[in-house]
Amino acid sequence: QEQLVESGGGVVQPGGSLTLSCVASAFMLGSFAMCWVRQAPGKGLEWVATNSHDAKSEGYADSVRGRFAISRDNSKNTLYLHLRSLRGEDTALYYCARHYWKNGEGRIDVWGKGTTVIVSS
Amino acid sequence: EIVLTQSPGTLSLSPGERASLSCRASQTVSSSDLNWYQQKPGQAPRLLIYAASRRATGIPDRFSGSGSGTDFTLTITRLEPEDSAMYYCLRYGWQYTFGQGTKLEIK
Repeated sequence: QEQLVESGGGVVQPGGSLTLSCVASAFMLGSFAMCWVRQAPGKGLEWVATNSHDAKSEGYADSVRGRFAISRDNSKNTLYLHLRSLRGEDTALYYCARHYWKNGEGRIDVWGKGTTVIVSS
Repeated sequence: EIVLTQSPGTLSLSPGERASLSCRASQTVSSSDLNWYQQKPGQAPRLLIYAASRRATGIPDRFSGSGSGTDFTLTITRLEPEDSAMYYCLRYGWQYTFGQGTKLEIK
């Protein structure tokens, strides 16, 4: 069964840094674009970042551009999100998700369970 | 930047009834780029509909999507108690945008 498992969340002080990881199983990460989506406590879903299957293209939400970086190691079937200059408003559950494309139609179809980041002094 | 506005914010219906959830875009969206998700408390989102009207694998035919341009609708017929959840629309592209969600309560 295709699965994504995130790790690396924790409590970090404002201004600090953290790296999240997401390991894929039962499919090849290198065949898919991948995303990070976050959800602040009691709030809706917010797209954070996406990178292409070969990591040559990436995009970021305005709220994180310049502070977060998405990367991957396809040989390890692992996606990363590097978070720096963290703020209180970055506190959220961070989901890793797969973006599947076929015949010009795409969808985020596989989601992990998420890892929690709390920014607090 | 495209903004997706979902309505109503909350919908309370009874089992067996029909729900219509709206997702309105601030500018024209390609139907192929519009997805719908269900999220229950403590769970990750679940894909229901992609390309505005195509049901994802394993989704009951009680769930259907329609619309084009700036107006899209998720319809759920014969409501069941387990349909109680938040529902989000998503438009992907160079930037991805989620709607703010509709809370569906089954009384």
